[in-house]
Amino acid sequence: EVVLTQSPATLSLSPGERATLSCRASQSISNYLSWYQQKPGQTPRLLIYDASIRATGVPARFSGSGSGTDFTLTISSLEPEDFAVYYCQQRVTWPPLTFGGGTKVEIK
Amino acid sequence: QVQLVESGGGVVQPGGSLRLSCSASGFSISNYGIHWVRQAPGKGLEWVAFIRYDGSRKHYADSVEGRFSISTDNSKNTMYLQMNSLRAEDTAVYYCAKARLLDYGDFDYWGQGTLVTVSS
Repeated sequence: EVVLTQSPATLSLSPGERATLSCRASQSISNYLSWYQQKPGQTPRLLIYDASIRATGVPARFSGSGSGTDFTLTISSLEPEDFAVYYCQQRVTWPPLTFGGGTKVEIK
Repeated sequence: QVQLVESGGGVVQPGGSLRLSCSASGFSISNYGIHWVRQAPGKGLEWVAFIRYDGSRKHYADSVEGRFSISTDNSKNTMYLQMNSLRAEDTAVYYCAKARLLDYGDFDYWGQGTLVTVSS
């Protein structure tokens, strides 16, 4: 099973700041990594797939990078609606599909 | 537009059973794999089960293998998750999610979720 470790657990930032979220895999997963955003009381939303491709309708301030075992989600300038929990998820080796534990981006 | 609507959640005693439904619109489930993902209260996301678009392949998380069963009714564009021998640790919001492509292991559309509570 591929274990995904996200860091930090919580990121406290102000609107307009840059957010950098990390996801590390326990083995190489090539670029088969997705990122999801979940706001309180809402359904997860696909942001990025295959490590760096933005899903339909996702603003350009969201970008993904990385391959192998180390991945990054960057939000270039935080908007008020971006404060949420972000999960990474791998699909290279499954079952099982696995998610990281999440990073909460909160308002400082 | 693509929409997934879950139903069937509720309160059940340990050892009991429930059947969740996921009704799809805006696409045909005969063309896309469907996953179930759950989220325990205040916790992260956990993948539960998958059925291939043609029903030829089904996968389950170890935590539910042998207790949960996934199926589809293409005529109703609906998929089901039969949950037996429920345990307290199965308490969660259950989401159905559409595979982004064919039988891919990522999800581009999610339902709103249905809450399952296992408690005596």
